[in-house]
Amino acid sequence: AQTVTQSQPEMSVQEAETVTLSCTYDTSESDYYLFWYKQPPSRQMILVIRQEAYKQQNATENRFSVNFQKAAKSFSLKISDSQLGDAAMYFCAYRSANTGNQFYFGTGTSLTVIP
Amino acid sequence: DAGVTQSPTHLIKTRGQQVTLRCSPKSGHDTVSWYQQALGQGPQFIFQYYEEEERQRGNFPDRFSGHQFPNYSSELNVNALLLGDSALYLCASRVWRGRNIQYFGAGTRLSVL
Repeated sequence: AQTVTQSQPEMSVQEAETVTLSCTYDTSESDYYLFWYKQPPSRQMILVIRQEAYKQQNATENRFSVNFQKAAKSFSLKISDSQLGDAAMYFCAYRSANTGNQFYFGTGTSLTVIP
Repeated sequence: DAGVTQSPTHLIKTRGQQVTLRCSPKSGHDTVSWYQQALGQGPQFIFQYYEEEERQRGNFPDRFSGHQFPNYSSELNVNALLLGDSALYLCASRVWRGRNIQYFGAGTRLSVL
């Protein structure tokens, strides 16, 4: 089974600064999707950004961008100009494009934004 | 446009009881997945329903069962509850053949005493 590892249980960042959250994954497949989800205290998981493995270009969504290193099986999330509303748990997730629809999640990184 | 809705939001049961959780998918979605999120952990896949059939199942015992109705809504049933079943249960929906963006509900917090 695929595994997703988030080695930073907690991170903090000053408001308006930049922070990078790390994620590594293990797979033998070549075609898959990677995601970052945000889970605020309200509990609802919100999609932050999505990357398709066949695309070399890193995905960006406004202040959020990823550094996708396929060979290294690394998928980090960069949050620029951090805002108080960015404080939440962030989960990295993997989904195979070929062998089913199951999502595999990491254990999460708790992000604190300091005013 | 309503997103994924789940009911109830909170539930307290005792060991050995049975529980049913409900989920209505986002409008236009036909596929529902259920996840269990223990405290401090990431969500773990339980199973997925499409066209009223279980399509894929994670590593969960038969005590966990589900159903999908013709209107695409879904139920998760857990029998013979154990203390370890205490968790946040998340429902997620997507379009079977569409882009692989999965939307989540706010979950049901189940406490087993």
